[in-house]
Amino acid sequence: GEDVEQSLFLSVREGDSSVINCTYTDSSSTYLYWYKQEPGAGLQLLTYIFSNMDMKQDQRLTVLLNKKDKHLSLRIADTQTGDSAIYFCAESGSSASKIIFGSGTRLSIRP
Amino acid sequence: DSGVTQTPKHLITATGQRVTLRCSPRSGDLSVYWYQQSLDQGLQFLIQYYNGEERAKGNILERFSAQQFPDLHSELNLSSLELGDSALYFCASSPSGQGYNEQFFGPGTRLTVL
Repeated sequence: GEDVEQSLFLSVREGDSSVINCTYTDSSSTYLYWYKQEPGAGLQLLTYIFSNMDMKQDQRLTVLLNKKDKHLSLRIADTQTGDSAIYFCAESGSSASKIIFGSGTRLSIRP
Repeated sequence: DSGVTQTPKHLITATGQRVTLRCSPRSGDLSVYWYQQSLDQGLQFLIQYYNGEERAKGNILERFSAQQFPDLHSELNLSSLELGDSALYFCASSPSGQGYNEQFFGPGTRLTVL
């Protein structure tokens, strides 16, 4: 079945780059997403990438997709304390109505 | 503010009871999704409705049911509650139910079963 996996925790120093990794199993995935959940809040879409793209950059965020290995990563440049949150990787097919979420990676920032 | 509202914000109840969680989607969104977030299970998709009809089902227990009303608001009913049902329940909405599918999440209802 469909599955999305990501590591549970990541700790980085303020100002460094954070790289959050994700693997998925569904080869028919068409859209891949990164959502952010801040403490006490719901999830918010950060960025997404179509499966026919290799990379997408949006300000401090860079998404890399390796479709062959079914591997997705999110790089946050110059990580700030406000980036502390849980980051969810997710995927959906072109005709699928549901999004499959990973378990989330908790990013903590140390001074 | 995503535009999705959920009530109540917190709910404390006892085992065996029944509760109803309510969600109002963003204006114009036809799809509503329900998720359960617990510490040990992560974010689990429960069910989706599109324009009043059930569209997709996930890991929803038989004790749980949902519906979407003509005004597009949705309710999630949880019955015969168990301690393990304690979790955050999120509702999300999106304009359509297919393809590129940005979902807008509400703030969640925290359910505590004692």
